[in-house]
Formats: sequence, C-alpha cells, structure tokens
Amino acid sequence: EDKVVQSPLSLVVHEGDTVTLNCSYEVTNFRSLLWYKQEKKAPTFLFMLTSSGIEKKSGRLSSILDKKELFSILNITATQTGDSAIYLCAVATINDYKLSFGAGTTVTVRA
Amino acid sequence: DAGITQSPRHKVTETGTPVTLRCHQTENHRYMYWYRQDPGHGLRLIHYSYGVKDTDKGEVSDGYSVSRSKTEDFLLTLESATSSQTSVYFCAPGTSGGVSYEQYFGPGTRLTVT
Repeated sequence: EDKVVQSPLSLVVHEGDTVTLNCSYEVTNFRSLLWYKQEKKAPTFLFMLTSSGIEKKSGRLSSILDKKELFSILNITATQTGDSAIYLCAVATINDYKLSFGAGTTVTVRA
Repeated sequence: DAGITQSPRHKVTETGTPVTLRCHQTENHRYMYWYRQDPGHGLRLIHYSYGVKDTDKGEVSDGYSVSRSKTEDFLLTLESATSSQTSVYFCAPGTSGGVSYEQYFGPGTRLTVT
C-alpha cells in the first residue's frame, strides 16, 4: 500500500521566518510528487517534481525531490501571513492515475 | 480551476436519505476523481473514473457509488447517508501527458448529515 507521510503536522512561525516542510513516501513505481496549498477552500496546485525535474522554485517557494532517499522538501522563505494554509503533498505512480495524499501540514504565520 | 463546478456547494440532510453530488468540468478531461477531506486525514479517494462508464473504487468507497454517463459529469451518490459521511467533498479532474500528471480541484461541497 502506498504511503505518504508529512511532517510536522503543524507549526507556527512569525512573519519573515523560513519554513521547511517534509514529505516522505513509500510507493511502487513512482511517477511524480505534487505539492498543493489549501486555504479556506479547495487545494491549489504549487509544484510537480519528477525524475526529470527534481527542483522547482516560484518566488519565495521552492521544492526539491530526493528520489534516492524518497522524500521532498517544500521551503517558504520570508513568510507572510498569506502563507498561512494547509500544505498537502501527494504522490502519483506509474501504475495508475491516482494520487496518494499525506495528511498535510498546517502552517500558521503570525504578524 | 480548469472549469470545474460542483453542486450543491452546501447541503444538510438527514440520516438515511440518499444524496447525490455533481461535478461538472468543461476541459474534456478523461480522468475524474471524488475525494473527501476530514481533519487529520488529508484527502482520501472515494471513487474515480478513467472514461465514460469506466469507474473504480478508491480507499474509502464503502457507502458511495458513482456514475459517469458523459465526459463532463461525474456524480457521487450516498445511497443512505450516515453521520460518518459528514465531510467536505472535492471533485478533481486529472490531466496526463507522459510523465506529467496533475489534478485540479473543484470548489468543494460541504455535506452535513444530521
């Protein structure tokens, strides 16, 4: 059974801090790893990492994939209150077109 | 949002009644998924579809059924709603192109079973 574990489950930081979120996985026939941000509504897509794209960056957010050690990190630098959200990690496998989600990390950024 | 709508957006129903949630997409995606989201559980897959009339179960399919008679519509039915099915339900069409695979989520339906 595919397994995706995110840590920590929650954290509280102050504006300007750097946040590092972890996602480890155990799946058969890995295809890609995706990060989503969820505020008080539906999840929105952030990044997708694959064998051919193991590092992504967009503004203050960046993510890396370590296929050998089976984990990914999402970094948020110079955090703002608008970064407060649940961050979800999901893994897709080659066998099918389903995603397995972790339980999410709740990030709270205080002014 | 890949042209995704869900209806209704909010519903309160009584235990034992049937409930149908609708997902509509305008981008002609082949794959569509229904998830439920509960605190501490992330998103859990209920059922998914890989084409018209082609569906399969996810990890939490008990008590749910689905139908897909047209590419654009994917229906989720709770045959006899129970309080444990109180949740937020998300629909997500999926895109696939080679190694790329992404899902985009609809706005969600908040269902309360009393």
